[in-house]
Amino acid sequence: EAQVTQNPRYLITVTGKKLTVTCSQNMNHEYMSWYRQDPGLGLRQIYYSMNVEVTDKGDVPEGYKVSRKEKRNFPLILESPSPNQTSLYFCASSLEGIGPPYGYTFGSGTRLTVV
Amino acid sequence: AQSVTQPDIHITVSEGASLELRCNYSYGATPYLFWYVQSPGQGLQLLLKYFSGDTLVQGIKGFEAEFKRSQSSFNLRKPSVHWSDAAEYFCAVGGYSGGYQKVTFGTGTKLQVIP
Repeated sequence: EAQVTQNPRYLITVTGKKLTVTCSQNMNHEYMSWYRQDPGLGLRQIYYSMNVEVTDKGDVPEGYKVSRKEKRNFPLILESPSPNQTSLYFCASSLEGIGPPYGYTFGSGTRLTVV
Repeated sequence: AQSVTQPDIHITVSEGASLELRCNYSYGATPYLFWYVQSPGQGLQLLLKYFSGDTLVQGIKGFEAEFKRSQSSFNLRKPSVHWSDAAEYFCAVGGYSGGYQKVTFGTGTKLQVIP
């Protein structure tokens, strides 16, 4: 089944404790992206990657890191989480990075709480 | 810069009634337009997309949307709503920024369906 898999689904952590949210897709998509969803703000892009070893900042990158060492994986790293990073996070992938956006396939989300 | 406005935060309709969710976009050229649906606790699922051609686009689950360039709108419609349509709906605009795709989401419209 074609899908984007995120782990974990739920995470509660303490301020300053490094964490990684994993994302993997099995569709050979070139383009992957991380979004955070907050009430009243919709989805805001954190980082995206057009292909292996090619990443760039989205609209709200502060406090986050990403890497794209393999085509299928795009982990989101919070080096020192803070309470304002409490949010619902989505990973998404798409067929093409350069060219018309074909529409995303989204993961099921990771609800992160930083206390 | 591209942007999307969904003017209705919350809409309530009766089961069997027709539905129209509004979406207005801002983009300098012909946009790529999308509607996504998010059921409670789930990721986003692509309902339909417009790239070019016929301005009336059919999607999954009986939804359709009409692209109106003169009004910069891409409203989502369904003739008869079912209780299972209760969810949050996001309009998105995709375009090019520096040669790569960028997708911007609206803030969402939450649909409540009453018996």
